[in-house]
Amino acid sequence: GENVEQHPSTLSVQEGDSAVIKCTYSDSASNYFPWYKQELGKGPQLIIDIRSNVGEKKDQRIAVTLNKTAKHFSLHITETQPEDSAVYFCAASLASGSARQLTFGSGTQLTVLP
Amino acid sequence: EPEVTQTPSHQVTQMGQEVILRCVPISNHLYFYWYRQILGQKVEFLVSFYNNEISEKSEIFDDQFSVERPDGSNFTLKIRSTKLEDSAMYFCAGTSGGGHGELFFGEGSRLTVL
Repeated sequence: GENVEQHPSTLSVQEGDSAVIKCTYSDSASNYFPWYKQELGKGPQLIIDIRSNVGEKKDQRIAVTLNKTAKHFSLHITETQPEDSAVYFCAASLASGSARQLTFGSGTQLTVLP
Repeated sequence: EPEVTQTPSHQVTQMGQEVILRCVPISNHLYFYWYRQILGQKVEFLVSFYNNEISEKSEIFDDQFSVERPDGSNFTLKIRSTKLEDSAMYFCAGTSGGGHGELFFGEGSRLTVL
């Protein structure tokens, strides 16, 4: 089955700096790669996703890149703000029909220091 | 904004007892999921449910687990005879788009088995 590795497990940045979180996956058939933000006491919330027919996607301060050959994808947050502090999870799945078995990474605790 | 609602938020039970975790999905969702997160570990897929039947399940989802949506609103996860290792946060999720739609997660139900 799919295995997703995520690094780093913790990341501290100064407000205004960029943050980068990296994930690798093992199953070359995976074609859907979402990123979730989890705030304390809440469920994961989708912040951005990318499908395997696209190499990069951007939404304001957040961008995701995908390298299918190397089987890795990354989350980039620019101009970080204290409210970006949370746990971020990457995930991978083969999206088809009714199936959505997401395999998650182990999470990155991002702390943005004011 | 519509949201996935889970109850209870926290349940403490004795080993061997039955537990039912409840979820009220977003009204237009058709595909439903349970995931769990053991403290400090990855979010793990348990089961997906569509058209009143299980469409996929992981090896975690053994005979002691069951799901149902008896009244067309509540989506429940039952653990027949809880074990210590069932202690985790259980997340319900749903989507309208099957394998291609955004997954919306609830805030989770924390289960503590003593």
